[in-house]
Amino acid sequence: AQSVTQLDSQVPVFEEAPVELRCNYSSSVSVYLFWYVQYPNQGLQLLLKYLSGSTLVKGINGFEAEFNKSQTSFHLRKPSVHISDTAEYFCAVNRGGGFKTIFGAGTRLFVKA
Amino acid sequence: SQTIHQWPATLVQPVGSPLSLECTVEGTSNPNLYWYRQAAGRGLQLLFYSIGIGQISSEVPQNLSASRPQDRQFILSSKKLLLSDSGFYLCAWSGDRVNYGYTFGSGTRLTVV
Repeated sequence: AQSVTQLDSQVPVFEEAPVELRCNYSSSVSVYLFWYVQYPNQGLQLLLKYLSGSTLVKGINGFEAEFNKSQTSFHLRKPSVHISDTAEYFCAVNRGGGFKTIFGAGTRLFVKA
Repeated sequence: SQTIHQWPATLVQPVGSPLSLECTVEGTSNPNLYWYRQAAGRGLQLLFYSIGIGQISSEVPQNLSASRPQDRQFILSSKKLLLSDSGFYLCAWSGDRVNYGYTFGSGTRLTVV
């Protein structure tokens, strides 16, 4: 069965510093990978997705992620964070376009002034 | 444009009472519809998904049920709530190409007391 592991439950970082949120997945078949962001008491919003092609994917709000097939990772990065980036971030995996998408447990990003 | 509506936003219900949460989608036809539950620190748990009217797939055996009486309407129900049913419930939809990602509703915070 496929699974998604977000290696950090909480990540504190100072404003304007770079950040990386880590995600590893397990699957023996081709996958589609996603990052979502959730602000307090709201639904999730799609940040970016990897379907195929270039392994570096750019999303909204200045975020990007890199697909690494050999390490089965899809880490999310931003070179300079803002206070408004404080939220919970979820990595998700869909196996081969099936109806089920599996979500990680989430990483809470705290951006401090 | 497509929109998804979910209500109510918050709900406090006594143990043993019934539940009905509703989700509707506008601006698209024949969407794939999903109910997820989010518990703190545990990510999103897929409860049900539906690929068409009257077609419901259950992922977790429990005292919840789902129905899809119309193409763009998805209802989550329970006859008797348990304390463990407390959580944040999210409805989502996707098109035929599930690899394009999900669009989530704003969620319902359910507290069973």
